[in-house]
Amino acid sequence: EAQVTQNPRYLITVTGKKLTVTCSQNMNHEYMSWYRQDPGLGLRQIYYSMNVEVTDKGDVPEGYKVSRKEKRNFPLILESPSPNQTSLYFCASSLSGTAPTYEQYFGPGTRLTVT
Amino acid sequence: AQKVTQAQTEISVVEKEDVTLDCVYETRDTTYYLFWYKQPPSGELVFLIRRNSFDEQNEISGRYSWNFQKSTSSFNFTITASQVVDSAVYFCALSEAFLLPGGADGLTFGKGTHLIIQP
Repeated sequence: EAQVTQNPRYLITVTGKKLTVTCSQNMNHEYMSWYRQDPGLGLRQIYYSMNVEVTDKGDVPEGYKVSRKEKRNFPLILESPSPNQTSLYFCASSLSGTAPTYEQYFGPGTRLTVT
Repeated sequence: AQKVTQAQTEISVVEKEDVTLDCVYETRDTTYYLFWYKQPPSGELVFLIRRNSFDEQNEISGRYSWNFQKSTSSFNFTITASQVVDSAVYFCALSEAFLLPGGADGLTFGKGTHLIIQP
């Protein structure tokens, strides 16, 4: 089954404790992206990747890191989480790397709480 | 920079009524793509439609229809004979045709419209 998987689905952590949210897709998609969703703000892009070893900042990259060493994986790293990073996070992938105009497939979301 | 505005934060209608969700966008590109996504209470994001800037034909899919008007930069979504299962948050989104390395905009979402269908 074609899908985007994220782990963990739920995470409660404390300020400053490094964490990684994994994202994996099995569709051989070139383009992958991370979004955060906050009430009243919709979805905002954190980082995106057009292909392996190519990543770039989205609208709200501060406090996040990503890497794209393999085509299927695009982990989101919070080196020192803070309470303002409490949010619902979505990973997404799309067929083309240079043209994110195809349907984006979204993962199920990761609800992160930083206390 | 591109922008998507969904002015209706929340809409509540009674089942079987028709309802239109508004979406207005801004972009300097002549080639772009517009999307609608549905987020039901379970939280996942469900793709509904993609439309490119050269195709202004309206689209109908069952009870759903979309009206794209470049003259007013709008891409509105209508649900006919609404049902309780249509209750969800609906997002309109815009994407440039091509991404360039160095921080070009990707997919920009509106803030969403929370649609409540009352039985």
